[in-house]
Amino acid sequence: AQRVTQPEKLLSVFKGAPVELKCNYSYSGSPELFWYVQYSRQRLQLLLRHISRESIKGFTADLNKGETSFHLKKPFAQEEDSAMYYCALSSAGGSYIPTFGRGTSLIVHP
Amino acid sequence: KAGVTQTPRYLIKTRGQQVTLSCSPISGHRSVSWYQQTPGQGLQFLFEYFSETQRNKGNFPGRFSGRQFSNSRSEMNVSTLELGDSALYLCASSPRPQGGTDTQYFGPGTRLTVL
Repeated sequence: AQRVTQPEKLLSVFKGAPVELKCNYSYSGSPELFWYVQYSRQRLQLLLRHISRESIKGFTADLNKGETSFHLKKPFAQEEDSAMYYCALSSAGGSYIPTFGRGTSLIVHP
Repeated sequence: KAGVTQTPRYLIKTRGQQVTLSCSPISGHRSVSWYQQTPGQGLQFLFEYFSETQRNKGNFPGRFSGRQFSNSRSEMNVSTLELGDSALYLCASSPRPQGGTDTQYFGPGTRLTVL
């Protein structure tokens, strides 16, 4: 069975500090990993996916198959980064049953 | 383009009743997925419809069902409501035939409260 674990419910940092939101997964096949974000009073939206290897809003995430992790990182947090972040997994290609983590609430203090 | 819309936004029902929620996808999107979000279980996949056919299904009892119409609008129905069905129900649409988590666009959700 596939599983996504986000060990921190809440992460609190000061503006300018580095941020790392942890995500570990369990899946026997080839996973597709994603990060979704939900800002206050806004809809859930895709932040980035591991296949794209892109940086969105300064965030990056590297898939580490050895450690089965997909941690989200940003070198310098901004107040506008405060939001709920969800890590998600689905099977690569074909049909899928997406699995989401419980989410981590990031609060960036001024 | 207009985003994914869901109606109603809020709903209060009592145990034993049934409820129907509606979702209108982004124009041109043919894949519609439904999720249940609760504080205890997080975001859980219910099912996905594509071209009026259920293509994928999560691990929910048969009381949860859905359908999709020829215009891609989708409805989900929950029969014999239980207190534990209280949740935010999210709908997401996707432009890709294959679906895929990354290309989903979420609606604002319907908040269902079961008393």
